[in-house]
Amino acid sequence: GAGVSQSPRYKVAKRGQDVALRCDPISGHVSLFWYQQALGQGPEFLTYFQNEAQLDKSGLPSDRFFAERPEGSVSTLKIQRTQQEDSAVYLCASSSGGGTRDEQFFGPGTRLTVL
Amino acid sequence: KQEVTQIPAALSVPEGENLVLNCSFTDSAIYNLQWFRQDPGKGLTSLLLIQSSQREQTSGRLNASLDKSSGRSTLYIAASQPGDSATYLCAVSGSNSGYALNFGKGTSLLVTP
Repeated sequence: GAGVSQSPRYKVAKRGQDVALRCDPISGHVSLFWYQQALGQGPEFLTYFQNEAQLDKSGLPSDRFFAERPEGSVSTLKIQRTQQEDSAVYLCASSSGGGTRDEQFFGPGTRLTVL
Repeated sequence: KQEVTQIPAALSVPEGENLVLNCSFTDSAIYNLQWFRQDPGKGLTSLLLIQSSQREQTSGRLNASLDKSSGRSTLYIAASQPGDSATYLCAVSGSNSGYALNFGKGTSLLVTP
């Protein structure tokens, strides 16, 4: 596709449920980033992939959060045993080169609400 | 840790005014600075990317400047229009930030007809 796509756009989960959020980056983009955006705040970095390698997961808030990009294209962010504090918009971004020297293009986000 | 601050937090102007949004950052060891626009309930749209070696970038009615040594960037919007109403975010990447793009909290802009 022309841009970064994410699915689902909205997700409501009961506390304790597991959720999986999908990101389709721009075709051919080497780098893929996940961010978490709380209401009224700027996005906060979660994790970074260069191709299929997860080079940085320092922003993942707990071991309940897990991300993968097994074939170097589509990525999935999984949250296990969701808690209310996980409610946020989860944004995915991709860029053409490795690292953070290139322009990042963002998807529309997935709004997660944990009840 | 890189801290990014945006001033003002909110701004309301009548249509046609020129306006300036400010962004400051604490660590000058940056690779680049990027300005984004975010409409309610939407993702981020990239507006301008300034590399650390550049002083400014222009796109249409938008002009962004960068003063790396003082840790400041400004986004200038000429002849504002109601369609410019959105939240504007600046973000920096740098050698001391790993792979993170560090964002400010944004400036919420309302342009009234």
